[in-house]
Amino acid sequence: AQSVSQHNHHVILSEAASLELGCNYSYGGTVNLFWYVQYPGQHLQLLLKYFSGDPLVKGIKGFEAEFIKSKFSFNLRKPSVQWSDTAEYFCAVINNDMRFGAGTRLTVKP
Amino acid sequence: DAGVIQSPRHEVTEMGQEVTLRCKPISGHNSLFWYRQTMMRGLELLIYFNNNVPIDDSGMPEDRFSAKMPNASFSTLKIQPSEPRDSAVYFCASSFGHVREQFFGPGTRLTVL
Repeated sequence: AQSVSQHNHHVILSEAASLELGCNYSYGGTVNLFWYVQYPGQHLQLLLKYFSGDPLVKGIKGFEAEFIKSKFSFNLRKPSVQWSDTAEYFCAVINNDMRFGAGTRLTVKP
Repeated sequence: DAGVIQSPRHEVTEMGQEVTLRCKPISGHNSLFWYRQTMMRGLELLIYFNNNVPIDDSGMPEDRFSAKMPNASFSTLKIQPSEPRDSAVYFCASSFGHVREQFFGPGTRLTVL
């Protein structure tokens, strides 16, 4: 069964700092990749997705992610975070099996 | 355009009682997923359906849990009997095809005393 690893459990940044959250998966075949965000007390919402094509995908709210097939990675980035980005971020890998990562809690200090 | 609808939003019950959580997926979506989220275990996939048929229920923790999808617009997750360790937020999600992006409902916060 495939697995999804999010290496950072809790990241604390100041506003305007750059963000990169790691996501690695174990499945070697074709996968669909997603990043979801969960704001405090809310449900998961889709940030961005990758199915095929350009490995650099743009999402909502200035987020982007890069699919690097050779590294089995799909890291999430944002050049300048805001206090409102404080949330939990989940990477998900879906093929015939589906797995969510354990999540990374991001705290942005004003 | 309504998203995924879950009810109730909050449920407080006593140990041993039966609990039924309900979900209405987005119209036109043919895949439905039930998840459980806790601080200790994170987000866990319990079961998912394709075209109303259960495909993978390997995440259902034990026989006390059961899920049904009698039609394309309704699903239930039942816990009988409930235990305090079942306390969690239960999310339902739907998608058009099980490999596409999932749309999550607001969740049901279950507290078993």
